[in-house]
Amino acid sequence: ETVVTQTPLSLSVTPGQPASISCKSSQSLLHSDGKTYLYWYLQKPGRSPQLLIYEVSTRFSGVPDRFSGSGSGTDFTLKISRVEAEDVGVYYCMQSVQLPPYTFGQGTKLEIK
Amino acid sequence: QEQLVESGGGLVKPGGSLRLSCVASGFTFSDYYMSWVRQAPGKGLEWISYISSGGDTIYSADSMKGRFTISRDNTKNSLYLQMNSLRAEDTAVYYCARRSTFDVWGQGTMVTVSS
Repeated sequence: ETVVTQTPLSLSVTPGQPASISCKSSQSLLHSDGKTYLYWYLQKPGRSPQLLIYEVSTRFSGVPDRFSGSGSGTDFTLKISRVEAEDVGVYYCMQSVQLPPYTFGQGTKLEIK
Repeated sequence: QEQLVESGGGLVKPGGSLRLSCVASGFTFSDYYMSWVRQAPGKGLEWISYISSGGDTIYSADSMKGRFTISRDNTKNSLYLQMNSLRAEDTAVYYCARRSTFDVWGQGTMVTVSS
């Protein structure tokens, strides 16, 4: 099973400041088809998770461009260039290169200072 | 718009069974493979099971294999999760989600296993 580890587990950020979350996998997420199957989700308080980024760096429809994803192989990063109040919640990374199972990181809770 | 709506959750005694449903609308359900994901209270996300668009390929998490069964009825735009031999640790919100990207999620249905 591919283990996915997120850091930090919590983050407190002043509005307008950047934020960064790391996601490391126990195995390379590069598939033989050339794609890297690493995703980022945000679960706002009391809501279902929502897709932010797919295949490392592609923003999903409607996701603001202050969100960006990067990385390769086993090391990945989600960056928020300027945090806004609406960005609070728990961020999860997930891998789907090797099934089963899909595996999620533990989650990173972002709060506003 | 594209939507998933789960139902069927509730309170059940340990050892009991429940069948969850997820009804899709706003997209061609039969074109997409689907998954169930759960979230225990205050915990993270845990993938349960995946089913291909035609229902011929199924993957399940080892920890739930043999107790939980995923299925679908494309004529009813519906996804199901049959849960047997329920345990206290199965208490969670259960979500259905579309594709391997999980690009659409339902609102979730709460399952509580308690005597």
